Parts: sequence; C-alpha cells; structure tokens
Amino acid sequence: SQQGEEDPQALSIQEGENATMNCSYKTSINNLQWYRQNSGRGLVHLILIRSNEREKHSGRLRVTLDTSKKSSSLLITASRAADTASYFCATIGPGTALIFGKGTTLSVSS
Amino acid sequence: KAGVTQTPRYLIKTRGQQVTLSCSPISGHRSVSWYQQTPGQGLQFLFEYFSETQRNKGNFPGRFSGRQFSNSRSEMNVSTLELGDSALYLCASSLEWTGAHSGNTIYFGEGSWLTVV
Repeated sequence: SQQGEEDPQALSIQEGENATMNCSYKTSINNLQWYRQNSGRGLVHLILIRSNEREKHSGRLRVTLDTSKKSSSLLITASRAADTASYFCATIGPGTALIFGKGTTLSVSS
Repeated sequence: KAGVTQTPRYLIKTRGQQVTLSCSPISGHRSVSWYQQTPGQGLQFLFEYFSETQRNKGNFPGRFSGRQFSNSRSEMNVSTLELGDSALYLCASSLEWTGAHSGNTIYFGEGSWLTVV
C-alpha cells in the first residue's frame, strides 16, 4: 500500500527554472528517502533525511522535512533537461520496509 | 565499486510458467529487498532478506518467494505466472536491515522487466 501522495503528479518547466515536489506520508518514520527514475530504468538514490533533521542539501537538491505535518519537499534548482524523470519519496518507519508514494513526473524542456 | 546488479534485464514468460530473478548487492551489503513496480499499483514491497533470513514480507501471495545466499546474493522466484505478474522487479541493497538505524541508505538496481504472455 502507498504511504502517501506526491504533489503535483506531473510538472512541466523550462530549463533554468526551479522544480518543487511535495510528499506527504501517514505514519511515523525513521527516515525519508528521495529517488529518481528515468523511463524504464531503476531507482537512483538522491538523498536521505532522518526524522530528526529538517533540511538537507546535495548539489542542486534541497530537501525539507516537517514531521509535525508529515510532509517533505524536494527542490531542484536550475533544472536541466537531464532532470526529466519521475521522482519518488519513500519512508521507512519502525519495522517497515520502504513505502513509496506514487511519484511526480518532471519534464524539463530546453 | 559496483552497484546493485540484477539479471536478467528482460524476459518473457508464458502463463503458468515459473521464473527466477537474481540480484547481487553492493559489496559489503548484507540486506537485499525486492520490490514490484506496475503502472497500477506503483512500487510495492515484496520481501527483505538479511544474513540469509527473511526479515520482512509484503502482502503478496505465496507464489512469490525468495532466498539469500551466504554471499548475500539473492534470488526471487515466481511460480505459476499470471498476466498480472508482468512488472518491473527491483532489487535493493543496504548495509544493514532496512529499519536498523535512521541513516540506512537503500540502493536499487536497474531492475528486471518481466512480461507474462
């Protein structure tokens, strides 16, 4: 079963713009991980944020976590055509495996 | 170092047959998990193995099974294939079992595309 929802389901932007994706979840978590998936390929790990962290950065990626609202956001700055992919958040709670959202499909046009 | 390796990448099977998929985790990783991805159901957890023991299991019928060897390599088997088993099967590895600690990063392979006809 899905843990929660990503919002929006689809996002189209121009190169150079920022892309923000949101993720909500339902239960308590140990951490939340973001992944990217190019069409027909496997999942690429982007970033892990622990439940006691509020923000993490990795290159052009910025992830925030608000455990009181059970939500997270992924910001990609200065998007490139190569960022076109589906993005998934996944949570790990006590005793659980990764539980994924439905994903956001990002399209970056040049 | 090498990532998570899955074989075969693509395969086509007939209803009623069985299939075995293989996964080699990142060197040093002791946990292997399997996930099924379909357009309708999204990404769903099948099972996790750690040190050759099944540690966690998702909500799939008994036709889906797996095992892990002493070198941490894992196989999953689906018997009596149904059309609905057509999916991308993803293997993931991590150093520790999934819920061991909050910093446990989980890495995925490229997946095995299974088509059942």
